[in-house]
Amino acid sequence: GAVVSQHPSWVICKSGTSVKIECRSLDFQATTMFWYRQFPKQSLMLMATSNEGSKATYEQGVEKDKFLINHASLTLSTLTVTSAHPEDSSFYICSARIPGQVGNQPQHFGDGTRLSIL
Amino acid sequence: GEDVEQSLFLSVREGDSSVINCTYTDSSSTYLYWYKQEPGAGLQLLTYIFSNMDMKQDQRLTVLLNKKDKHLSLRIADTQTGDSAIYFCAESSPNSGNTPLVFGKGTRLSVIA
Repeated sequence: GAVVSQHPSWVICKSGTSVKIECRSLDFQATTMFWYRQFPKQSLMLMATSNEGSKATYEQGVEKDKFLINHASLTLSTLTVTSAHPEDSSFYICSARIPGQVGNQPQHFGDGTRLSIL
Repeated sequence: GEDVEQSLFLSVREGDSSVINCTYTDSSSTYLYWYKQEPGAGLQLLTYIFSNMDMKQDQRLTVLLNKKDKHLSLRIADTQTGDSAIYFCAESSPNSGNTPLVFGKGTRLSVIA
């Protein structure tokens, strides 16, 4: 069964709207979660590493003020796309690793959120 | 930086075996993964292998690792139409449990009935 839940699965909204995407770890605590972006027919691009209780670590080229990440609890990380524009339309996926032996646990992914900005 | 390469497309007939190949550059890679992505869905972990292993088999899936050549392959036996999807190879280094994965571009597997 799913170990990472992502919500919503699909969002359509007008340009200028801010959109919040939630990523929850089910039945385990995730001190670290990852946010990826995927363009059509392309691979996953890491956007940022979300750290519980501290600031997210953003990859080069990702606008911190555009993509706000909050990891306020050990089971929830949120990604807010602020003032979204059509170029922000994409598939956003989060992942988390079940704690265990270091490196021994693979990342589990949410089902993704398809964001369409009109 | 690290790089993971995969061929983009593979087409096989139903019932045949599929072999998806992947090469990586990071010699410190310790864990290598295969994920499956169906249309409009997230990534599903299929299997993973530690770098001290040469082979891992799980039902219809066989993973082969050639660490010297930094080459990873995924063999799917008796390929079914439900196996049609994009398959991503990914690697991570062992230093921290917080290390993100480095993905290949994905191989689109089409199974012909």
